[in-house]
Amino acid sequence: GQNIDQPTEMTATEGAIVQINCTYQTSGFNGLFWYQQHAGEAPTFLSYNVLDGLEEKGRFSSFLSRSKGYSYLLLKELQMKDSASYLCAVMDSNYQLIWGAGTKLIIKP
Amino acid sequence: DGGITQSPKYLFRKEGQNVTLSCEQNLNHDAMYWYRQDPGQGLRLIYYSQIVNDFQKGDIAEGYSVSREKKESFPLTVTSAQKNPTAFYLCASSAIERGDYNEQFFGPGTRLTVL
Repeated sequence: GQNIDQPTEMTATEGAIVQINCTYQTSGFNGLFWYQQHAGEAPTFLSYNVLDGLEEKGRFSSFLSRSKGYSYLLLKELQMKDSASYLCAVMDSNYQLIWGAGTKLIIKP
Repeated sequence: DGGITQSPKYLFRKEGQNVTLSCEQNLNHDAMYWYRQDPGQGLRLIYYSQIVNDFQKGDIAEGYSVSREKKESFPLTVTSAQKNPTAFYLCASSAIERGDYNEQFFGPGTRLTVL
């Protein structure tokens, strides 16, 4: 079966750095997405990785290792507005997105 | 400005009634999707469509129906056959272009509560 694993919840301090991990087992791989979702709102796109390595976009970076079936999202200089759920999704061989359950990130002052 | 609209944001229905959720996009995207989101679970695909007048079942299509008569519109009907319809429903759309990652854009969602 296809499976995406992420921690359920994480807590971090304002101004700090946090790393949210995602491991996956899917039938085929056509890229990995990270989305941010504030409570009760729609997910919004953060990043896409299809090749191994680190993609940096401002305070957010995303890393991929295809051989390990592993990705992480790194958030730097945390702000209170970063409190949200972070969803990992993998595009499989049929170009369908398989979604993880999301990681709820709580930022404390 | 371009985007995806879903209406209504909150919807209440009595058990046994069918209800239709609206989804419209003006992004000129070929593909549209319906997802269901329950607490503690990932998004689950209900139906998707890549072209007008054609659609495919997702992982949890039972109890749902869709139509795609226009490129811009992809309404979802939750029928009385759906055993546990109370959930947050998200509509999304994306381009279909080989060689690009075709991110999905989401509407604001409809929270359906069946009483």
